[in-house]
Amino acid sequence: DTEVTQTPKHLVMGMTNKKSLKCEQHMGHRAMYWYKQKAKKPPELMFVYSYEKLSINESVPSRFSPECPNSSLLNLHLHALQPEDSALYLCASSRPGRNTIYFGEGSWLTVV
Amino acid sequence: QKEVEQNSGPLSVPEGAIASLNCTYSDRGSQSFFWYRQYSGKSPELIMFIYSNGDKEDGRFTAQLNKASQYVSLLIRDSQPSDSATYLCAVLVGTSYDKVIFGPGTSLSVIP
Repeated sequence: DTEVTQTPKHLVMGMTNKKSLKCEQHMGHRAMYWYKQKAKKPPELMFVYSYEKLSINESVPSRFSPECPNSSLLNLHLHALQPEDSALYLCASSRPGRNTIYFGEGSWLTVV
Repeated sequence: QKEVEQNSGPLSVPEGAIASLNCTYSDRGSQSFFWYRQYSGKSPELIMFIYSNGDKEDGRFTAQLNKASQYVSLLIRDSQPSDSATYLCAVLVGTSYDKVIFGPGTSLSVIP
């Protein structure tokens, strides 16, 4: 019961493009997360939605815009990114309470 | 001081030995602690979680928590080459319900 699905698995975008990363879970989890991970670094928290409301924004630049349309879906809208934003973007979800988080497979983003 | 720190790697152990991974955290109010395993090019996978002082065992894995010392460890008994990965310690920070922060990770190599 640890399935978190992310699409696309790979994305290449130009610095002027607008794209979105999507995440879906059907485990009834009430918290959903976006993390960013660069090579040989740990996941870095970006956003948390709890009960469909944004509860944490770790001072992420506005070129990243999260959206939680319902309790199962989480999007990350991307606009005017920089090459240094190239990374693995991880979506995760957790049950209420102790916050044991489960990750999706991630979306590999390359900004050219 | 970083919020979550881990013993620097890489750590190499022979097959069949015990691997010991350590983690310290700065926020004394933290209540939930997690160990994740991450293979190269993959997303983090939850191995264990621990909330109470003492030991928690699951198969070859034992997590140990000492809140007074702000210390969490993971022991892997009978290490196998398939255990070679990066191990990430994660902490639910302070009294937050949502903020899960990762340590820098320790790379483990199990030598056949």
